[in-house]
Amino acid sequence: GQSLEQPSEVTAVEGAIVQINCTYQTSGFYGLSWYQQHDGGAPTFLSYNALDGLEETGRFSSFLSRSDSYGYLLLQELQMKDSASYFCAVEGDDKIIFGKGTRLHILP
Amino acid sequence: DVKVTQSSRYLVKRTGEKVFLECVQDMDHENMFWYRQDPGLGLRLIYFSYDVKMKEKGDIPEGYSVSREKKERFSLILESASTNQTSMYLCASSPRQNTEAFFGQGTRLTVV
Repeated sequence: GQSLEQPSEVTAVEGAIVQINCTYQTSGFYGLSWYQQHDGGAPTFLSYNALDGLEETGRFSSFLSRSDSYGYLLLQELQMKDSASYFCAVEGDDKIIFGKGTRLHILP
Repeated sequence: DVKVTQSSRYLVKRTGEKVFLECVQDMDHENMFWYRQDPGLGLRLIYFSYDVKMKEKGDIPEGYSVSREKKERFSLILESASTNQTSMYLCASSPRQNTEAFFGQGTRLTVV
């Protein structure tokens, strides 16, 4: 089967850096994605890693280690609008499986 | 602008009713998915389809069926709605490589 583990909640201060970790167990792994979901909204795509290493997109970066079945999302220069839930997702065997999500709380 | 459209934002149905949730995408994507989202449980995959008339069970298919007669449309069917199917239902589509999924706005279904 497939499973993903990520923390249920993380709290950080505005302007700081926060890292959200994700470990996975899966068959047929092709890549790890990250999605953001604000309350009442739909998930929106943030990043995708197929190969080991760091991908940077503005204030957000995502890392993958295939040998460790591990990845993380790094958010820099946190803003209040970054308060949301963040989901890691594994792509494999024609389907996309999501973790349970990490609720990010940002303190002023 | 890419779009995934779900037919209803809110639905209230009675126990035992047959319920149809419709999803249409305009991106010519091969893959389409139905998830349900419940607090603390994340997004759970119900069914997915990687081609017209093709369907595969996800992690929680019991009590559901799907139909994909055209590439752009993927329907979720609750054969006999039950109260434990009260949930937010999210449809998504992605290209063949599954590198990025696009979601509809969701249908909040309440079964009474």
